[in-house]
Amino acid sequence: GEDVEQSLFLSVREGDSSVINCTYTDSSSTYLYWYKQEPGAGLQLLTYIFSNMDMKQDQRLTVLLNKKDKHLSLRIADTQTGDSAIYFCAESMSGGGNKLTFGTGTQLKVEL
Amino acid sequence: EAQVTQNPRYLITVTGKKLTVTCSQNMNHEYMSWYRQDPGLGLRQIYYSMNVEVTDKGDVPEGYKVSRKEKRNFPLILESPSPNQTSLYFCASRRRGGNQPQHFGDGTRLSIL
Repeated sequence: GEDVEQSLFLSVREGDSSVINCTYTDSSSTYLYWYKQEPGAGLQLLTYIFSNMDMKQDQRLTVLLNKKDKHLSLRIADTQTGDSAIYFCAESMSGGGNKLTFGTGTQLKVEL
Repeated sequence: EAQVTQNPRYLITVTGKKLTVTCSQNMNHEYMSWYRQDPGLGLRQIYYSMNVEVTDKGDVPEGYKVSRKEKRNFPLILESPSPNQTSLYFCASRRRGGNQPQHFGDGTRLSIL
């Protein structure tokens, strides 16, 4: 079955790094995604990683994938107040049509 | 501008009164989906469509219907809404292909009294 888990809250100081963690259970996942949701808005795709990759870096964002432990993380360097939002990880499989399975979301609060 | 448009953005209604939430995308995407977002549960897929006249159930389809008569539109229909369908709903679309990202609408907040 598919299950994606995240911790619910994370609080960091401005300028520090944030690390948001996610665990998933379906080993047949092909792509794993990170989405950002700001208040009152839809979901914005931040980045994604293919399951045969270990790491992907995109400016301040670093995604690490440990496929053996089924663990995905998103690191945000030099966290800013504008990074305050809910972050969702999601997995998709090659079959099952269009389906994305989302985690519960992590609320990131950036304090001055 | 490429976008997914949902209407209405907010709706308060009563139990049993049929309602439709419209979703339209202007990107010629093959795939479209509806999700609901509830606190502590993340987003759960209700229905999806891989092309015109092709729809299938997601994880939580009970109490919902969809149709895909045209490529750009994917309405969500609640024939007899109940309070447990009070939620935040998102429509999404994407191109066919493994790593194509989903584009989300801004959401529709439904309250069923």
